Formats: sequence, structure tokens, C-alpha cells
Amino acid sequence: DTGVSQDPRHKITKRGQNVTFRCDPISEHNRLYWYRQTLGQGPEFLTYFQNEAQLEKSRLLSDRFSAERPKGSFSTLEIQRTEQGDSAMYLCASSAVAGGGTDTQYFGPGTRLTVL
Amino acid sequence: AQSVAQPEDQVNVAEGNPLTVKCTYSVSGNPYLFWYVQYPNRGLQFLLKYITGDNLVKGSYGFEAEFNKSQTSFHLKKPSALVSDSALYFCAVRDISSGGGADGLTFGKGTHLIIQP
Repeated sequence: DTGVSQDPRHKITKRGQNVTFRCDPISEHNRLYWYRQTLGQGPEFLTYFQNEAQLEKSRLLSDRFSAERPKGSFSTLEIQRTEQGDSAMYLCASSAVAGGGTDTQYFGPGTRLTVL
Repeated sequence: AQSVAQPEDQVNVAEGNPLTVKCTYSVSGNPYLFWYVQYPNRGLQFLLKYITGDNLVKGSYGFEAEFNKSQTSFHLKKPSALVSDSALYFCAVRDISSGGGADGLTFGKGTHLIIQP
């Protein structure tokens, strides 16, 4: 399967612990996006990379969140000192650069985080 | 700021009947519009997008959507519904006048489509 993959699919942690998620984009896609989806809501944009450069962060991305894409391939999203409000589905998407924002984002299956 | 409204939490349609899932948007510039579908415990799957040109866009699985600039709408349609179309549908917009067009998508809250046999 050559789609976007995410690991783990599920994560249960205790409040205050740190967690890290991984996303592997579609091969040769140079853009990678992170979204968060809570129950009954649509995905909310968190941040995106073009190659290894993080070009935009949403106001939703608090100081406890950090994302990296060190070699322009896979990406990690770390949440430090997790809070119960962090419980959500974290979605990753990738796309191939296209002029003027016409690129289509393809989503992975998501990582469901539960903070106890 | 851009926004998307999906006014119906749920749409019920009998199998074989036409279906419409409504979406309206608000952007300061020109919109790029997308429809995605989400099945339980799975990520979002791309259905179709409007960038420019013909207002009627055809996509996967027999779905189509009509862009109406005056009504700022982008309703999803299908002539004949299948039970397998039952899923959660999201409309999304990107305002190409902001951030060089590379910003993340803004999604609606989603509409549950239920096709009854």
C-alpha cells in the first residue's frame, strides 16, 4: 500500500505524559500536514511542512506541541505534558506541490489519542 | 477568516434516490473547494475538488458537486444513492488569497449520510 501511514493507530496515556506520533507520507509528496479531529467536528489544521521546512502553525498548536520533518520524508508530532483536552484523532495528510494551492491532500488513517 | 457550514447533521435518503449534501463557504478571496468522505475508523478519502472552470465537478464513486459563486455553495450530489454511500461527508475550503495558497484546509463539521435500503 502506498498511501499515507500513521503509527500508532491508537495511544492511551496518562495525563502529564509525553507522546509522539509518526506519519509517513506518500512517496515523493513534498508537503505534509497535521490536523486534529475531535468527536463531532471536522479536522482542524495544526501545521504543515514543505520538504523539511515547517511553514505554518495554527494557533491551536500550543507550546506543548512540536512537529518535525527532519529529512523531508516522515514527520513526527510530539505532545508534551498531555492534558485530557488533547484527546482526539490526529490526522496526517500529504500532497505534491502544485501551483497556487491546488494540491490535493491525501489523508492517513489517523492516530487516536486518549488521555486518562 | 475562512469558514465552511454544513447545515445538516444528518441526511437520510432511500437507496436509488438522488442525494444532496449541502455546503456553504465564506472566504475573503477566491475559494478552492473539496469534498472528503470518512468511513468508521478510517481516514478521510478525497472525492472531488473545484479549482476553476466548469461549475459542475465530477469525482469518485459517481459523486459530483456544483459550485455556485453567487450563493457561495458547493453542494455534493449523486443521481442514485447506494447503501454503501452511507458515511460521514466533509466539505472543505482553502482561500487562495491567504498564505500563498498553501494553508491548511478549513473543514465543516460533517454530515452523516444514511442510505436506507
